[in-house]
Amino acid sequence: GAVVSQHPSRVICKSGTSVKIECRSLDFQATTMFWYRQFPKKSLMLMATSNEGSKATYEQGVEKDKFLINHASLTLSTLTVTSAHPEDSSFYICSARDLGTTYEQYFGPGTRLTVT
Amino acid sequence: AQSVSQHNHHVILSEAASLELGCNYSYGGTVNLFWYVQYPGQHLQLLLKYFSGDPLVKGIKGFEAEFIKSKFSFNLRKPSVQWSDTAEYFCAVRRDYGQNFVFGPGTRLSVLP
Repeated sequence: GAVVSQHPSRVICKSGTSVKIECRSLDFQATTMFWYRQFPKKSLMLMATSNEGSKATYEQGVEKDKFLINHASLTLSTLTVTSAHPEDSSFYICSARDLGTTYEQYFGPGTRLTVT
Repeated sequence: AQSVSQHNHHVILSEAASLELGCNYSYGGTVNLFWYVQYPGQHLQLLLKYFSGDPLVKGIKGFEAEFIKSKFSFNLRKPSVQWSDTAEYFCAVRRDYGQNFVFGPGTRLSVLP
């Protein structure tokens, strides 16, 4: 099946710094990518929908100035957590939608962010 | 708002026992239904999906699910579980091909050897 990668897989940063997470679709083009956040022992919560070449659509309650999303190409979307705080520590998962297979979504392996 | 519920938070079974995990959704229109599995330390993997046609769907690793439209349900089943099935299972619903996924809260399955 299609492969989606994320980098880094784990990152530890200090409070107040910014962290960038990359999401790549490796063998297909994705005009739409999604960013989710998964709290411990909880389900995935959609944060935003990222569309190639346009602004991301954020879910209610998600701060767009804190979680910057850029979808510059058909295979890459980035999530930047700005001025990170300990409460931003979480597991961030991206998915990419493959238009060639009835809009199936493929998930990345996730990025564990720890803010100290 | 559309919601997805999963009946059990944590299920504990012995090997060879039969499994059924419940999933119900609230949206009344056409939906696409999915079950994903997340093994410890790994990413989400698609077990099976239903778009249309035969409501009994067979997936990977011996899993199957049945879509019952009248009950708004999409329960996951496996006749005989293995220790390696220990994982978190998520039901997900999508209203149509273009909409986002809504995930259920997940059910943790622990299979005792």
